[in-house]
Amino acid sequence: KQEVTQIPAALSVPEGENLVLNCSFTDSAIYNLQWFRQDPGKGLTSLLLIQSSQREQTSGRLNASLDKSSGRSTLYIAASQPGDSATYLCEGGGGTSYGKLTFGQGTILTVHP
Amino acid sequence: DTGVSQDPRHKITKRGQNVTFRCDPISEHNRLYWYRQTLGQGPEFLTYFQNEAQLEKSRLLSDRFSAERPKGSFSTLEIQRTEQGDSAMYLCASSPSGSRYEQYFGPGTRLTVT
Repeated sequence: KQEVTQIPAALSVPEGENLVLNCSFTDSAIYNLQWFRQDPGKGLTSLLLIQSSQREQTSGRLNASLDKSSGRSTLYIAASQPGDSATYLCEGGGGTSYGKLTFGQGTILTVHP
Repeated sequence: DTGVSQDPRHKITKRGQNVTFRCDPISEHNRLYWYRQTLGQGPEFLTYFQNEAQLEKSRLLSDRFSAERPKGSFSTLEIQRTEQGDSAMYLCASSPSGSRYEQYFGPGTRLTVT
């Protein structure tokens, strides 16, 4: 059974800082790894999806890496902005047949001006 | 708007009452998923449909929970005899054929059981 853990649980940084969110997973036979953003009381928005054959993905100020052998992924946010404040969820899709997503508990990010 | 929609967005009910939520997926998506998210936790998988067939159910889905997708379009999730522990955000997601991991999430239904 896939288990996903995210560290830290919460992070508060001043605007402009570069930061790293960490995700670890137990089942290295993942199909994909995704990072999502969730604003308070809202649904999830996919930020980056790394396929199992890939090592990283980039979108704007976001870069996500995947190391299957160590069971780890990181999300790097460059030049953080107050609008980046949200909960960031890591998802490690294990080798199930129907796309059941397994999420970490999330990292609550606060970027203050 | 062509995204996933959920109704209602918020529901407050008394313990013991039945509630029903609706999810309308993106129209061309044949896969539909339900997740439950409690405060401070990530979403947990509940059940999955491919067209009208319910193909997988989590052990989290007790016999008080039932989900349907009668015509392969919208889906309903019903909770009977609600308990305070059912208070959570219920999220629906859909995905297109051939890309079961590219799931698009709706805004969720926040259930509060008093």
